[in-house]
Amino acid sequence: ELKVEQNPLFLSMQEGKNYTIYCNYSTTSDRLYWYRQDPGKSLESLFVLLSNGAVKQEGRLMASLDTKARLSTLHITAAVHDLSATYFCAVEETSGSRLTFGEGTQLTVNP
Amino acid sequence: NAGVTQTPKFQVLKTGQSMTLQCAQDMNHEYMSWYRQDPGMGLRLIHYSVGAGITDQGEVPNGYNVSRSTTEDFPLRLLSAAPSQTSVYFCASSYRGQWHGYTFGSGTRLTVV
Repeated sequence: ELKVEQNPLFLSMQEGKNYTIYCNYSTTSDRLYWYRQDPGKSLESLFVLLSNGAVKQEGRLMASLDTKARLSTLHITAAVHDLSATYFCAVEETSGSRLTFGEGTQLTVNP
Repeated sequence: NAGVTQTPKFQVLKTGQSMTLQCAQDMNHEYMSWYRQDPGMGLRLIHYSVGAGITDQGEVPNGYNVSRSTTEDFPLRLLSAAPSQTSVYFCASSYRGQWHGYTFGSGTRLTVV
């Protein structure tokens, strides 16, 4: 059974600081997704990581995937208040068609 | 393109009532899936489908039924609602291609009293 663990679950940051969210998963997979969710809203796709060593960047967010370590990271650079949201990683099993989600990381960026 | 459309957006049920949550997609995606989101637990898979006429159970299927008679529609039926089914439900569609991706609906917030 595929298990996905994120840490930390809660993160309070100051504006301008850097931090990393970690996503560990338990079985072989080569597709990992990062989503953002604002309160009361649906999931917004941030990154799709399709292979070992994949790195993608968008603005102040950068995601990477190490399939050998079964680890993905979401790095936040110089945080701003607008990044406050809940971030989920999700892993697709090799057979495809469905996702297993982490518990989510609730990020609050304080002025 | 409307993407993935879920109806209703909000629903209150009494314990024991039944209802159907609708999900429709217009992207000709092969795969569709239902998730529920509870506080502190992320999203958990209820049922999924890899094509018309084919469905399978996910992590938390008890109390729910699905069918997939067309590529476009994937309704989720609550047979006899229980307070434990109070949750936010998301439908997603996806396809198997090089740039495989998932599109999520806007969600249905269900309260069972």
